Amino acid sequence: GAVVSQHPSRVICKSGTSVKIECRSLDFQATTMFWYRQFPKKSLMLMATSNEGSKATYEQGVEKDKFLINHASLTLSTLTVTSAHPEDSSFYICSARAGGSQNSPLHFGNGTRLTVT
Amino acid sequence: GDSVTQMEGPVTLSEEAFLTINCTYTATGYPSLFWYVQYPGEGLQLLLKATKADDKGSNKGFEATYRKETTSFHLEKGSVQVSDSAVYFCALSVVGGKLIFGQGTELSVKP
Repeated sequence: GAVVSQHPSRVICKSGTSVKIECRSLDFQATTMFWYRQFPKKSLMLMATSNEGSKATYEQGVEKDKFLINHASLTLSTLTVTSAHPEDSSFYICSARAGGSQNSPLHFGNGTRLTVT
Repeated sequence: GDSVTQMEGPVTLSEEAFLTINCTYTATGYPSLFWYVQYPGEGLQLLLKATKADDKGSNKGFEATYRKETTSFHLEKGSVQVSDSAVYFCALSVVGGKLIFGQGTELSVKP
């Protein structure tokens, strides 16, 4: 089946530093990937839609200069949290669509637990 | 706007009990509906889906029927197991292929 690999699974960083999270589709090409943020015991909040070869589309209220998204190839999208602060601590999950139809199911990575100290 | 509302958890059941997790939605057009499951410390896995009214999605003993008249997509399982303990998310797809999630319902199954 379609596999999405997310790395790292956990990261701890100091306040003010930047952290990069990778999302790879291992056995399929993903024109579109999505980045979500999940707060403890809360739902997933869509942050942005990442399109290969073009700029990401950010949801309202998400700072694009803080959460840099790059989708350089059909199998890799990266999320960089710049100048991280403790309030950025969260669970970040990426997903990718295996089929061309908008109704094709999304496949999710296992998430990245970011802790900013 | 489009939204999904799930029953609040946590839901605690004994093994072999019947499970229902309610999900209702608000959407323009005719979205596809999904149930995802998240095990502790992991990402989401697709459990089942339905793409049009009256469709029934099913997988691993779980079922949900797309009810347009009541805008619902309730998840059911006749006999839960301890291994079903997880957080369950109802979701709908919107224009652009994005998914809108409900708040999640935590299920805990005791032996």
